[in-house]
This record gives sequence, structure tokens and C-alpha cells, in this order.
Amino acid sequence: AQSVTQLDSQVPVFEEAPVELRCNYSSSVSVYLFWYVQYPNQGLQLLLKYLSGSTLVESINGFEAEFNKSQTSFHLRKPSVHISDTAEYFCAVSGLSGSARQLTFGSGTQLTVLP
Amino acid sequence: SQTIHQWPATLVQPVGSPLSLECTVEGTSNPNLYWYRQAAGRGLQLLFYSVGIGQISSEVPQNLSASRPQDRQFILSSKKLLLSDSGFYLCAWSSGNNSPLHFGNGTRLTVT
Repeated sequence: AQSVTQLDSQVPVFEEAPVELRCNYSSSVSVYLFWYVQYPNQGLQLLLKYLSGSTLVESINGFEAEFNKSQTSFHLRKPSVHISDTAEYFCAVSGLSGSARQLTFGSGTQLTVLP
Repeated sequence: SQTIHQWPATLVQPVGSPLSLECTVEGTSNPNLYWYRQAAGRGLQLLFYSVGIGQISSEVPQNLSASRPQDRQFILSSKKLLLSDSGFYLCAWSSGNNSPLHFGNGTRLTVT
């Protein structure tokens, strides 16, 4: 069994400030890790993923996440946020089969960027 | 390119009425299809998934059912809605293992 904990349900931050969205997971087996983003009244979009290799993964819009096996964490960071980054962010974990059936989502973190 | 369509976007239904939500995928063949429910303040819960026509697996016991009459069509149904069926329903597809999920824009269902 696996689980995902997103410690912060709401994160307000001013524009151009840095942000970190926290994600911790528990699993008895090795995992793949994902961050999805959901804009208002839309479905989720894959932001970035860790499957293997470098523990630091980056998205095309400036977000990055680092897989820390010892701390079982996959925190999402951005050094300078924009108003358009306002959205809900979901961390997810799956087993190494890669099957979406095994994908477990966290409860989400609402990021609100203030002008 | 592949697209996924889900409708309606919003729906208000009385308790005890039937439900039919439809999802179609274009630009790919034999996709894996999924229905998720998203409750406020909670993550996504997988309700059903399908790896082919007529092949449906249910992940949780519930008041809903799913069908896949065509390769790229996935339908979520209920004969009699309950208040607890209210929520945001998301359809998604993937091309297989290790492939990302692609979500539709969701249907917000309110049962009154």
C-alpha cells in the first residue's frame, strides 16, 4: 500500500516570491513520483515526473522537484512565481509497474499568487 | 494530436434520478480509460478503468457503473443518484504503462 501526504492545503504567496509545495509519501516498494496541476474548472495536467536517474526534475515553466529517498519526499519548488501559476497542485505516486491503476494522489495544495 | 472531450461541464440532478456522463478520446486507438471522482479537499479517487471495449474494472464499491461501448468512448452511469454522488468527475486516458494520464475538463455534478 502507498499513500501521499501534502502537508499544506493552501499556500498564498506574493508574485515573484519563491514557493515550495511539500509532498511526502509512504510505500513499501520503490515508486515513481508525479506532480499534476489543475487550473480552475479544468482537468489535471502532468507538470513533471520522476521515474529514474537524476533526482532533480524540471518542468518547462520553471518548476522543479527533487526526489529525496531518505526523507521520502518530492517537494515542488519555483524560485519566482507568476499570477498565472495560481492553481491546485497534486502530488502522486505509483508503483514501478507504471500502471495508472496504482496511482495514488495527495489531497492537493491550492497555490494562490497575490499581486 | 490527441484530445479528450467530456460532457456536460456541469449538471444538477435530483436524488433518485439517473445519470449518464460521456467521455470520448480522439487521435489515438485502444487507450486505457479512467473515471475519477474528486471531492473537495481530497485527492482523486479512481472509480473505474478500462483496457478495452467491454472491459471494465471497478476500484471501489459504489452506486455508479461504467461502460465502454466503443474503443474511444467511456460512459459513467447511475440508475438512481444519491446525495453522496455529488462531486467533480474526471475522465482520463493513457496509452499504457509509464505513460502520463491525460484528463478531460471534468463534470461538476450536484445532486439535490
